[in-house]
Amino acid sequence: DTGVSQDPRHKITKRGQNVTFRCDPISEHNRLYWYRQTLGQGPEFLTYFQNEAQLEKSRLLSDRFSAERPKGSFSTLEIQRTEQGDSAMYLCASSLGLIRQETQYFGPGTRLLVL
Amino acid sequence: DQQVKQNSPSLSVQEGRISILNCDYTNSMFDYFLWYKKYPAEGPTFLISISSIKDKNEDGRFTVFLNKSAKHLSLHIVPSQPGDSAVYFCAASLSGGSNYKLTFGKGTLLTVNP
Repeated sequence: DTGVSQDPRHKITKRGQNVTFRCDPISEHNRLYWYRQTLGQGPEFLTYFQNEAQLEKSRLLSDRFSAERPKGSFSTLEIQRTEQGDSAMYLCASSLGLIRQETQYFGPGTRLLVL
Repeated sequence: DQQVKQNSPSLSVQEGRISILNCDYTNSMFDYFLWYKKYPAEGPTFLISISSIKDKNEDGRFTVFLNKSAKHLSLHIVPSQPGDSAVYFCAASLSGGSNYKLTFGKGTLLTVNP
């Protein structure tokens, strides 16, 4: 399978715990994006990387959230001191990174439930 | 403030007929538009896109129409099939600079009845 993969697919945690999600983009895709989707809403942009550089962060990304893409390949999204409001589907997408108008291809998502 | 709006939460169509999903946007700086389909518990799947320099793009059963003056786009599916039943999201990206994020609507649930 050469699509975007995400791990884990589901995560249940207790409030206050830290969680980390991983995303593996399509091979040779230079841009990687994180989105969050809550019930009844469309995906909302969180952050994106061009290779290993994090170039934009949404105001939705509070200081409890941190994302990395250390070698320009896979990326991790960590949420510290989780809150019930963090419960959502976290989506990763990637694109080639050659032109501005590009299709973003999404992974299956990680569904987070904070109890 | 919802910059991309999908005002119909749901749409029901008979198999074989045309499905028309609508999307309106408020930001005139959007210049690239995409439609995604999403099944429950899966990520969005890309369907079709259109640049603002065009007013129509077609791919098999899917056609997207863009009316820039009305800030409106629509997705036509002909003929509709039961497997098309899913949530459809309209998304847009801004022109210029290094702004690559997509802004999504809330989605329209399409149900195609056999």
